[in-house]
Amino acid sequence: QVHLQESGPGLVKPSETLSLTCTVSGYSLSSAHYWDWIRQPPGKGLEWIGSIYHSGNTYYKPSLKSRVTLSVDTSKNQFSLKLISVTAADTAVYYCAGHAYAAAVDYWGQGALVTVSS
Amino acid sequence: DIQMTQSPSSLSASVGDRVTIACRASQTIGSYLHWYQHKPGKAPKLLIYAASSLQSGVPSRFSGSGSGTDFTLTISSLQPGDFATYYCQQSYISLLSFGGGTKVEIK
Repeated sequence: QVHLQESGPGLVKPSETLSLTCTVSGYSLSSAHYWDWIRQPPGKGLEWIGSIYHSGNTYYKPSLKSRVTLSVDTSKNQFSLKLISVTAADTAVYYCAGHAYAAAVDYWGQGALVTVSS
Repeated sequence: DIQMTQSPSSLSASVGDRVTIACRASQTIGSYLHWYQHKPGKAPKLLIYAASSLQSGVPSRFSGSGSGTDFTLTISSLQPGDFATYYCQQSYISLLSFGGGTKVEIK
């Protein structure tokens, strides 16, 4: 059974960097899946942030591209999100997830609430 | 990137009602369209993939149709556990995108 678990600070100050890690168990990150970060701000819908393949190829939402970096550590079976220069608008539940090429998102973490506040 | 537009943004329905949710893509996406059910405090749940294929374990009252730019999710007979928010999502390009969501509420 595949399990994804987000970890990282639940509170980040404005202008600082939001960092989250997703630990995957039951499935090798080196296999043929893309690994995603998706968020949901309070009262709003789901927003795709970006995806990474085990080779390191990355894909980012254009409006966030200048602030987002995804990375993968296959030795730890983890992938990570860094979002710089955060504001209150980045407050959201952040989900790590996974999907096969051109397919639906079939693996989801439980979600982690990150609040941006001083 | 591809914009996904859902309608309506919310609806009120009763148990047993037939419910239809629409999703439109800003360009053709073939059948690379998927539907999710999302309840508060939980991860989204995949219902339909590739426009019309039912995910394993999902009740047959859920169905999807469409191709190109226009798609539909239908719940044939709404059950108490179906009150949730539903999202469409495209995977035609590597830059994924979701629709704005449709909240199905109790009438």
